[in-house]
Amino acid sequence: QSALTQPPSASGSPGQSVTISCTGTSSDVGGYNYVSWYQQLPDKAPKLLIYEVSKRPSGVPDRFSGSKSGNTASLTVSGLQAEDEADYYCSSYAGSNNLYVFGTGTKVTVL
Amino acid sequence: QVQLQESGPGLVKPSQTLSLTCTVSGGSISSGSYYWSWIRQPAGKGLEWIGRLYTSGSTNYSPSLKSRVTISVDTSKNQFSLQLSSVTAADTAVYYCARSSPGSYGVFDLWGQGTMVTVSS
Repeated sequence: QSALTQPPSASGSPGQSVTISCTGTSSDVGGYNYVSWYQQLPDKAPKLLIYEVSKRPSGVPDRFSGSKSGNTASLTVSGLQAEDEADYYCSSYAGSNNLYVFGTGTKVTVL
Repeated sequence: QVQLQESGPGLVKPSQTLSLTCTVSGGSISSGSYYWSWIRQPAGKGLEWIGRLYTSGSTNYSPSLKSRVTISVDTSKNQFSLQLSSVTAADTAVYYCARSSPGSYGVFDLWGQGTMVTVSS
Protein backbone atom coordinates (compact mmCIF):
# COMPACT_ATOMS: atom_id res chain seq x y z
CA GLN A 1 0.00 0.00 0.00
CA SER A 2 1.62 3.25 -1.12
CA ALA A 3 1.49 6.45 0.89
CA LEU A 4 -0.99 9.08 -0.21
CA THR A 5 0.61 11.92 -2.16
CA GLN A 6 0.78 15.40 -0.69
CA PRO A 7 2.78 18.43 -1.85
CA PRO A 8 5.93 18.78 0.26
CA SER A 9 5.23 22.39 1.12
CA ALA A 10 2.65 25.15 1.04
CA SER A 11 2.73 28.71 2.26
CA GLY A 12 0.66 31.81 2.72
CA SER A 13 0.65 35.14 4.46
CA PRO A 14 -1.33 35.75 7.64
CA GLY A 15 -5.01 36.04 6.88
CA GLN A 16 -4.74 34.23 3.56
CA SER A 17 -5.94 30.71 2.77
CA VAL A 18 -3.88 27.68 1.91
CA THR A 19 -5.16 24.41 0.46
CA ILE A 20 -3.33 21.11 0.71
CA SER A 21 -4.15 18.19 -1.57
CA CYS A 22 -4.00 14.49 -0.74
CA THR A 23 -4.11 12.15 -3.71
CA GLY A 24 -4.74 8.45 -3.44
CA THR A 25 -6.55 5.81 -5.45
CA SER A 26 -9.97 4.27 -5.73
CA SER A 27 -8.81 1.74 -3.13
CA ASP A 28 -8.41 4.35 -0.43
CA VAL A 29 -9.34 8.05 -0.75
CA GLY A 30 -11.69 7.53 -3.68
CA GLY A 31 -13.32 4.45 -2.27
CA TYR A 32 -14.36 5.66 1.16
CA ASN A 33 -15.45 8.84 2.90
CA TYR A 34 -12.98 8.11 5.68
CA VAL A 35 -10.29 10.71 5.14
CA SER A 36 -8.75 12.37 8.18
CA TRP A 37 -6.31 15.22 8.57
CA TYR A 38 -3.73 15.72 11.31
CA GLN A 39 -1.64 18.71 12.37
CA GLN A 40 1.83 18.03 13.75
CA LEU A 41 3.65 20.85 15.48
CA PRO A 42 7.44 20.54 15.77
CA ASP A 43 8.46 17.68 18.07
CA LYS A 44 4.86 16.98 18.99
CA ALA A 45 2.46 14.14 18.34
CA PRO A 46 -0.09 14.58 15.54
CA LYS A 47 -3.42 16.16 16.45
CA LEU A 48 -6.71 15.27 14.76
CA LEU A 49 -8.11 18.17 12.74
CA ILE A 50 -10.67 16.67 10.37
CA TYR A 51 -12.34 13.27 10.11
CA GLU A 52 -14.74 11.66 7.64
CA VAL A 53 -13.57 14.12 4.97
CA SER A 54 -15.08 17.28 6.42
CA LYS A 55 -16.06 16.86 10.07
CA ARG A 56 -14.26 18.76 12.82
CA PRO A 57 -13.75 17.44 16.35
CA SER A 58 -14.87 19.81 19.07
CA GLY A 59 -12.26 22.44 19.76
CA VAL A 60 -10.89 22.62 16.22
CA PRO A 61 -11.44 26.10 14.73
CA ASP A 62 -13.76 26.35 11.74
CA ARG A 63 -10.84 27.89 9.84
CA PHE A 64 -9.95 24.29 9.07
CA SER A 65 -12.14 22.60 6.48
CA GLY A 66 -11.95 19.44 4.41
CA SER A 67 -13.38 18.20 1.15
CA LYS A 68 -12.97 15.41 -1.38
CA SER A 69 -13.37 14.93 -5.09
CA GLY A 70 -12.69 11.57 -6.63
CA ASN A 71 -9.33 10.24 -5.47
CA THR A 72 -8.18 13.58 -4.06
CA ALA A 73 -8.98 15.06 -0.68
CA SER A 74 -8.16 18.60 0.35
CA LEU A 75 -7.59 20.54 3.54
CA THR A 76 -8.11 24.30 3.51
CA VAL A 77 -6.81 26.56 6.23
CA SER A 78 -8.53 29.93 6.04
CA GLY A 79 -7.42 33.06 7.83
CA LEU A 80 -3.92 31.69 8.21
CA GLN A 81 -2.28 32.37 11.58
CA ALA A 82 1.30 32.05 12.73
CA GLU A 83 0.30 29.15 14.99
CA ASP A 84 -0.84 27.18 11.92
CA GLU A 85 2.78 26.68 10.86
CA ALA A 86 3.15 22.93 11.11
CA ASP A 87 3.25 19.68 9.19
CA TYR A 88 -0.09 18.36 7.97
CA TYR A 89 -0.87 14.73 7.18
CA CYS A 90 -3.88 13.15 5.58
CA SER A 91 -4.90 9.56 6.16
CA SER A 92 -7.48 7.27 4.66
CA TYR A 93 -9.12 3.96 5.34
CA ALA A 94 -7.87 1.55 2.71
CA GLY A 95 -10.05 -1.49 3.10
CA SER A 96 -10.06 -4.49 5.38
CA ASN A 97 -6.65 -5.76 4.26
CA ASN A 98 -4.57 -2.58 4.34
CA LEU A 99 -6.69 -0.68 6.84
CA TYR A 100 -5.00 2.71 7.13
CA VAL A 101 -2.63 4.70 4.94
CA PHE A 102 -1.11 8.11 5.64
CA GLY A 103 -0.04 10.89 3.33
CA THR A 104 3.52 12.00 2.71
CA GLY A 105 3.00 15.20 4.67
CA THR A 106 2.95 18.91 3.83
CA LYS A 107 4.89 21.58 5.66
CA VAL A 108 2.87 24.77 5.89
CA THR A 109 4.82 27.98 6.31
CA VAL A 110 3.23 31.24 7.36
CA LEU A 111 5.14 33.98 5.58
CA GLN B 1 -8.81 12.42 30.96
CA VAL B 2 -7.29 9.40 29.24
CA GLN B 3 -3.62 9.71 28.37
CA LEU B 4 -1.18 7.44 26.55
CA GLN B 5 2.53 7.10 27.33
CA GLU B 6 5.05 5.06 25.36
CA SER B 7 8.09 3.51 26.99
CA GLY B 8 10.92 1.19 26.06
CA PRO B 9 14.59 1.03 25.04
CA GLY B 10 15.80 3.90 22.92
CA LEU B 11 18.50 1.80 21.28
CA VAL B 12 18.11 -1.64 19.71
CA LYS B 13 20.76 -3.66 17.88
CA PRO B 14 20.18 -4.81 14.30
CA SER B 15 18.50 -8.21 14.00
CA GLN B 16 17.12 -7.97 17.53
CA THR B 17 13.52 -7.41 18.63
CA LEU B 18 12.17 -3.95 19.37
CA SER B 19 9.79 -3.94 22.35
CA LEU B 20 7.67 -0.97 23.38
CA THR B 21 4.85 -0.49 25.84
CA CYS B 22 2.00 2.00 25.84
CA THR B 23 0.49 2.72 29.25
CA VAL B 24 -3.08 3.96 29.36
CA SER B 25 -3.84 6.26 32.28
CA GLY B 26 -7.06 7.96 33.33
CA GLY B 27 -9.19 5.09 32.09
CA SER B 28 -9.27 1.34 31.64
CA ILE B 29 -7.89 -0.14 28.43
CA SER B 30 -10.62 -2.75 28.51
CA SER B 31 -13.58 -0.46 29.17
CA GLY B 32 -15.44 0.87 26.21
CA SER B 33 -14.72 -0.28 22.70
CA TYR B 34 -11.51 1.04 21.25
CA TYR B 35 -8.75 0.10 18.88
CA TRP B 36 -5.24 0.67 20.20
CA SER B 37 -2.70 1.27 17.44
CA TRP B 38 1.02 1.69 16.94
CA ILE B 39 2.19 4.26 14.39
CA ARG B 40 5.76 5.23 13.56
CA GLN B 41 7.54 8.15 11.93
CA PRO B 42 11.15 8.08 10.71
CA ALA B 43 12.97 11.36 11.20
CA GLY B 44 11.82 13.93 8.67
CA LYS B 45 9.39 11.51 7.07
CA GLY B 46 5.72 10.65 7.13
CA LEU B 47 3.59 8.49 9.39
CA GLU B 48 3.21 4.74 8.96
CA TRP B 49 0.48 2.68 10.61
CA ILE B 50 1.93 -0.52 12.09
CA GLY B 51 -1.01 -2.36 13.56
CA ARG B 52 -3.83 -2.33 16.06
CA LEU B 53 -5.34 -4.27 18.93
CA TYR B 54 -9.04 -4.33 19.73
CA THR B 55 -10.34 -4.33 23.28
CA SER B 56 -11.28 -7.98 22.79
CA GLY B 57 -7.65 -8.84 22.02
CA SER B 58 -7.97 -9.32 18.27
CA THR B 59 -5.27 -7.77 16.12
CA ASN B 60 -4.67 -6.41 12.62
CA TYR B 61 -1.30 -5.56 11.12
CA SER B 62 0.04 -3.59 8.18
CA PRO B 63 0.71 -6.07 5.34
CA SER B 64 4.22 -4.68 4.90
CA LEU B 65 5.17 -5.41 8.52
CA LYS B 66 2.88 -8.31 9.34
CA SER B 67 5.59 -10.97 9.33
CA ARG B 68 7.59 -9.12 12.02
CA VAL B 69 4.95 -7.50 14.25
CA THR B 70 3.12 -8.63 17.36
CA ILE B 71 0.80 -6.40 19.37
CA SER B 72 -0.48 -7.67 22.69
CA VAL B 73 -2.33 -6.42 25.76
CA ASP B 74 -1.82 -6.69 29.50
CA THR B 75 -5.10 -5.56 31.02
CA SER B 76 -3.78 -6.01 34.57
CA LYS B 77 -1.23 -3.29 33.88
CA ASN B 78 -3.50 -1.25 31.60
CA GLN B 79 -0.89 -1.52 28.85
CA PHE B 80 -0.52 -2.72 25.31
CA SER B 81 2.76 -3.60 23.68
CA LEU B 82 4.55 -3.72 20.35
CA GLN B 83 7.17 -6.23 19.36
CA LEU B 84 8.98 -5.81 16.05
CA SER B 85 11.46 -8.55 15.21
CA SER B 86 14.57 -8.64 13.03
CA VAL B 87 14.97 -4.88 13.07
CA THR B 88 17.21 -2.94 10.72
CA ALA B 89 18.22 0.69 10.47
CA ALA B 90 15.03 1.26 8.46
CA ASP B 91 13.06 0.68 11.64
CA THR B 92 14.63 3.71 13.31
CA ALA B 93 11.77 6.07 14.04
CA VAL B 94 9.59 7.79 16.61
CA TYR B 95 6.96 5.28 17.66
CA TYR B 96 3.53 6.50 18.74
CA CYS B 97 0.65 4.67 20.34
CA ALA B 98 -2.82 5.97 19.49
CA ARG B 99 -6.51 5.26 20.04
CA SER B 100 -9.38 5.02 17.61
CA SER B 101 -12.99 3.95 17.84
CA PRO B 102 -14.69 1.15 15.90
CA GLY B 103 -16.71 2.63 13.10
CA SER B 104 -14.39 5.61 12.94
CA TYR B 105 -12.28 3.90 10.30
CA GLY B 106 -8.94 5.20 11.39
CA VAL B 107 -9.73 8.38 13.26
CA PHE B 108 -6.89 8.57 15.78
CA ASP B 109 -8.26 10.95 18.40
CA LEU B 110 -5.72 10.33 21.15
CA TRP B 111 -1.95 9.97 20.79
CA GLY B 112 0.97 9.36 23.08
CA GLN B 113 3.89 11.78 22.98
CA GLY B 114 6.03 9.30 21.07
CA THR B 115 9.29 7.55 21.85
CA MET B 116 12.41 7.56 19.69
CA VAL B 117 13.94 4.20 18.84
CA THR B 118 17.30 3.95 17.11
CA VAL B 119 18.48 0.71 15.52
CA SER B 120 22.26 0.64 15.62
CA SER B 121 25.09 -1.60 16.71
